[in-house]
Amino acid sequence: EAGVAQSPRYKIIEKRQSVAFWCNPISGHATLYWYQQILGQGPKLLIQFQNNGVVDDSQLPKDRFSAERLKGVDSTLKIQPAKLEDSAVYLCASSSRAEGTDTQYFGPGTRLTVL
Amino acid sequence: AQSVTQLDSQVPVFEEAPVELRCNYSSSVSVYLFWYVQYPNQGLQLLLKYLSGSTLVESINGFEAEFNKSQTSFHFRKPSVHISDTAEYFCAVSPLSGTYKYIFGTGTRLKVLA
Repeated sequence: EAGVAQSPRYKIIEKRQSVAFWCNPISGHATLYWYQQILGQGPKLLIQFQNNGVVDDSQLPKDRFSAERLKGVDSTLKIQPAKLEDSAVYLCASSSRAEGTDTQYFGPGTRLTVL
Repeated sequence: AQSVTQLDSQVPVFEEAPVELRCNYSSSVSVYLFWYVQYPNQGLQLLLKYLSGSTLVESINGFEAEFNKSQTSFHFRKPSVHISDTAEYFCAVSPLSGTYKYIFGTGTRLKVLA
């Protein structure tokens, strides 16, 4: 079974530029998550989708971050404009309630550096 | 609301020695508990999870963790570590209902010394 795929793996941009990350979850997983992991910290949930609907986006900085999950499969996370403090690893995860729990499976992440 | 505390930010240990990584949590509702490992430049990999039943959960790789409800802890142990176990370890909790949102601790960096 293929895992969670993310691209790109690394991205370097100047502040005030825009950037987008892509995630393809495990096939059949209805729930998709985006996390921000700042160096030295644990992952922090940015947004959670159930199919193509948003379940929780309470910690998403909506003035600059946006995310969508069209057709309930792939998802993109966008930052516009980027700030220095957005430098972090952005992790995508997916889960399936069919397993009887909500174990989350993570992709390799995208490391963003904002200069 | 839930919170997770991993008191040890770094744990150095010699190869083949035992190790315990501590995790304490706070929650007003019952939770699932997880341990994940993160190797450099990689995502998080699930090591162990406690959902219900026996309070001691074990993996085929020799890891184990014990859920202690009275102490609200889920400490991770391995009787003999290898150089390859060097990584960042994260404890996480998730409520049994609702959005199943994960709350992660700040992580413990395990460094195994030769």
